[in-house]
Amino acid sequence: DTEVTQTPKHLVMGMTNKKSLKCEQHMGHRAMYWYKQKAKKPPELMFVYSYEKLSINESVPSRFSPECPNSSLLNLHLHALQPEDSALYLCASSQSGDSGGYTFGSGTRLTVV
Amino acid sequence: AQTVTQSQPEMSVQEAETVTLSCTYDTSESNYYLFWYKQPPSRQMILVIRQEAYKQQNATENRFSVNFQKAAKSFSLKISDSQLGDTAMYFCAFMSLLNKLIFGTGTLLAVQP
Repeated sequence: DTEVTQTPKHLVMGMTNKKSLKCEQHMGHRAMYWYKQKAKKPPELMFVYSYEKLSINESVPSRFSPECPNSSLLNLHLHALQPEDSALYLCASSQSGDSGGYTFGSGTRLTVV
Repeated sequence: AQTVTQSQPEMSVQEAETVTLSCTYDTSESNYYLFWYKQPPSRQMILVIRQEAYKQQNATENRFSVNFQKAAKSFSLKISDSQLGDTAMYFCAFMSLLNKLIFGTGTLLAVQP
């Protein structure tokens, strides 16, 4: 298995809703990442997990809450989002310390109404 | 802080011709990694080619090759024999030893039949 799987592919949520994005990989990668990508812009790093521990938080608002329950799974919990949070959320994984680059999922398209 | 610059927001090439996408970066580190990623309309980020900064030899992957000029901090991507399936957004990316991937602003490449 050489894929990163993200669910759901599309999500529409209200500003008072609570939802979660899920990311899964079975490549034995020990580093996992969340990126946010606005239309026609590059991905921006949000969080990095290394060996299931949060190692980088790029000053992301607390309405985004990451969780890494095990080495294969990464969640992003969403609460009280704003319309400007609408974006493509990409998950990626890599072998920790490996320079081979990241493997990306196909993303969750989030719309906040 | 590292920065990655792509000065060509959009480019167009005829099928079967060759095109070069430009990328420059800024870093004070001596050892790092550079990548080109492709993002087609399907949204998934796909690794095209990678280059290790300590290697002088330019990387090649089939129709894709790079021109890496370390002193000039330049990392251009050449696509030979362009195909319709090459139509995508192309991102140049920099990875430091902290394993943090930083993207340039992207070049939208259109391959014309």
